[in-house]
Amino acid sequence: KAGVTQTPRYLIKTRGQQVTLSCSPISGHRSVSWYQQTPGQGLQFLFEYFSETQRNKGNFPGRFSGRQFSNSRSEMNVSTLELGDSALYLCASSIGTGGNEQFFGPGTRLTVL
Amino acid sequence: QKEVEQNSGPLSVPEGAIASLNCTYSDRGSQSFFWYRQYSGKSPELIMSIYSNGDKEDGRFTAQLNKASQYVSLLIRDSQPSDSATYLCAVPSFNMLTFGGGTRLMVKP
Repeated sequence: KAGVTQTPRYLIKTRGQQVTLSCSPISGHRSVSWYQQTPGQGLQFLFEYFSETQRNKGNFPGRFSGRQFSNSRSEMNVSTLELGDSALYLCASSIGTGGNEQFFGPGTRLTVL
Repeated sequence: QKEVEQNSGPLSVPEGAIASLNCTYSDRGSQSFFWYRQYSGKSPELIMSIYSNGDKEDGRFTAQLNKASQYVSLLIRDSQPSDSATYLCAVPSFNMLTFGGGTRLMVKP
């Protein structure tokens, strides 16, 4: 069974731009969660989607948004990029919502210049 | 109080020793517990799941759960330099999976 895939793997943007990251979960998994990880920081939860609905949201500004499609693929968008948005963005899929075990994709490393 | 707490380390052990990683959690209703391993620059990888009190063994890894004490641990026997990584504990809390800050393990040859 194929694992979680994320595209692109690396991205370089400049301040003020916006970016869209994509995540395809494991086949049959309906929940997708997004995390931000910066050096020295743990996993910071962004949001979780299940059946195209946002189920949980972390403490991030409204510049961070996401959505999920009917095939469970998910995208997250960051608008008006700031230098502090440089991070590894991780997507994780699980069968259901509510704290099931999650399987992570390889991540997208975003650098904001 | 954080919902899931881990000592950030680093925990340094010599090759061949037992590494003991600990995690405490606050939600008494949690029923499942997970350990992830994350190598530097890589994404977390699920290595152990435990659902009931007691020990669960998988190769050199043993997860120990004590719900009464709200404590879960991961033992790594015969530690190898390749085990050097950050280990994350994850616990369902308030209908979502909550991660601890991770413990950095260093296994010295």
